[in-house]
Amino acid sequence: AQSVTQLGSHVSVSEGALVLLRCNYSSSVPPYLFWYVQYPNQGLQLLLKYTTGATLVKGINGFEAEFKKSETSFHLTKPSAHMSDAAEYFCAVRGSGYSTLTFGKGTMLLVSP
Amino acid sequence: DAGVIQSPRHEVTEMGQEVTLRCKPISGHDYLFWYRQTMMRGLELLIYFNNNVPIDDSGMPEDRFSAKMPNASFSTLKIQPSEPRDSAVYFCASSSLGLAGHTSTDTQYFGPGTRLTVL
Repeated sequence: AQSVTQLGSHVSVSEGALVLLRCNYSSSVPPYLFWYVQYPNQGLQLLLKYTTGATLVKGINGFEAEFKKSETSFHLTKPSAHMSDAAEYFCAVRGSGYSTLTFGKGTMLLVSP
Repeated sequence: DAGVIQSPRHEVTEMGQEVTLRCKPISGHDYLFWYRQTMMRGLELLIYFNNNVPIDDSGMPEDRFSAKMPNASFSTLKIQPSEPRDSAVYFCASSSLGLAGHTSTDTQYFGPGTRLTVL
């Protein structure tokens, strides 16, 4: 079984500041980890994913995430926030051999000028 | 590719009416997923199909909900009769196995969703 915990339902940053969205997972098998972004009135769009290999994963729009097995974490970061980054972000896990994703409850990122 | 297509984008209906949501997955994808998103419960998996066959419908809330996939390019989610608590955004997503028989690299691609309001 898999589960995902996203710390903080809302995160507020100023434009240009570091973005850090936290995700911890639980999985009984090797996990594959995903971050999705949802803009208002749109579907979910894949930002990045970790399957195997390099633990630091780079995605679209300058985001990256690092898989830390010892901490069961997959936090999402971006060095400098843009106003256009304001959206809801979902972390998800899929266990090796499974077909379905388990999503966290989402974190709304608010960016102020 | 046009991506996952859902219709209608918005649906407003009255309690007791039948509602049918439609989804066209990405061509070549062999998995199709139906999700429901609400403020209270977040994103919930309702049912998924593999090669047009329903694999797990344990997320379907009750017998009023049914889903079909008559062919590889079309799926429906039906609610009959609808109730106000069914109001939500319903997403369809599709994915493929990637390399033959290897499940480690699939990505789910989401449609834009159908916003259902039951009055």
